[in-house]
Amino acid sequence: GENVEQHPSTLSVQEGDSAVIKCTYSDSASNYFPWYKQELGKGPQLIIDIRSNVGEKKDQRIAVTLNKTAKHFSLHITETQPEDSAVYFCAVRSARQLTFGSGTQLTVLP
Amino acid sequence: SQTIHQWPATLVQPVGSPLSLECTVEGTSNPNLYWYRQAAGRGLQLLFYSVGIGQISSEVPQNLSASRPQDRQFILSSKKLLLSDSGFYLCAWRGRQGVNYGYTFGSGTRLTVV
Repeated sequence: GENVEQHPSTLSVQEGDSAVIKCTYSDSASNYFPWYKQELGKGPQLIIDIRSNVGEKKDQRIAVTLNKTAKHFSLHITETQPEDSAVYFCAVRSARQLTFGSGTQLTVLP
Repeated sequence: SQTIHQWPATLVQPVGSPLSLECTVEGTSNPNLYWYRQAAGRGLQLLFYSVGIGQISSEVPQNLSASRPQDRQFILSSKKLLLSDSGFYLCAWRGRQGVNYGYTFGSGTRLTVV
């Protein structure tokens, strides 16, 4: 089955700095790569996604890049704010299922 | 618009007691439905998924079962809870029209087995 690795597991940045979270996957046939944000005590919320025919996608302060050859994709958050503090999960769609990374606890320090 | 409801929000149950968590989806038909468990605030583990009424696939053998008695209703059950069943349970759905592959999650149920 699909194997998704996510790094780092924890990340602290100063407010206003950028944050980058990386994921690698194993199945070259994977075709969809979403990112979820989970705030404490809540369900994960989709924040951005990218399909395999696109290399980069941006939505205001967040962006996702995909390198299909190397089988890795990354979440970039610029101008971080305290409300960006949360756990972020990457996921990969393979064989009609989503496989999730282990999560990154992002803390934005004021 | 589509919405997903999950209840209860929190639950404290003694070891050996039964469990029933319910999830319903509104505003869509024939969705794929999923139950996930999240332990220690991390790591989403897929427990069950369903592509239609009465169709349940189990990903992890365990003390839990799932049922889909109606198109937009998904139930997670246990006959006798174990301490290890404690965790945060999440229901999710995905539409099957078009190319929308994204999952939408419910707000979760925090289960504590004591």
